[in-house]
Amino acid sequence: EAQVTQNPRYLITVTGKKLTVTCSQNMNHEYMSWYRQDPGLGLRQIYYSMNVEVTDKGDVPEGYKVSRKEKRNFPLILESPSPNQTSLYFCASSFQTGAETPLHFGNGTRLTVT
Amino acid sequence: GQQVMQIPQYQHVQEGEDFTTYCNSSTTLSNIQWYKQRPGGHPVFLIQLVKSGEVKKQKRLTFQFGEAKKNSSLHITATQTTDVGTYFCAVPRGGNNRKLIWGLGTSLAVNP
Repeated sequence: EAQVTQNPRYLITVTGKKLTVTCSQNMNHEYMSWYRQDPGLGLRQIYYSMNVEVTDKGDVPEGYKVSRKEKRNFPLILESPSPNQTSLYFCASSFQTGAETPLHFGNGTRLTVT
Repeated sequence: GQQVMQIPQYQHVQEGEDFTTYCNSSTTLSNIQWYKQRPGGHPVFLIQLVKSGEVKKQKRLTFQFGEAKKNSSLHITATQTTDVGTYFCAVPRGGNNRKLIWGLGTSLAVNP
């Protein structure tokens, strides 16, 4: 089944403790992206990747890192999480570009930073 | 800068009533995408519109792209409880085909 898999679904952590949210897609998609969703602010892009070893900042990249060492995987790294990073995170992938082909989303990761 | 406005923010209807959400852009668009997010779920792609004046139908859902390619609408005929969720439009950011700008969504509640 074609899908985007994110883990974990829920994560509670403390300020400053490094964490990684994994994302994997099995559709051989070129484009992958991370979003955060907050009430009243909608979906905001954190980082995106056009292909292996090609990443670029979205609208809210501060406090986040990503890597794209393999086509299928696009982990999101929070080196030193802070409470303002408490949010619902979505990974998404697309066949080619991020704005001209449909995005396939993972099930989301709800992160709480205390 | 480029803006995408979605109205209304919320809509509460009785089952069987129609529903429409609108997406308005400050700039001319190359395309527009619509997504649906069920409560507790993730956004799911519904459709992409590309041509001026385009109308596409998916069962009870009708999508329209304005003639000037600056606005779009999603109309649901005879809503059902399965239509509950938030409907988002998303458009390319100013000629950049790698980034989308998302509307804030219209949340639809349906009373059975």
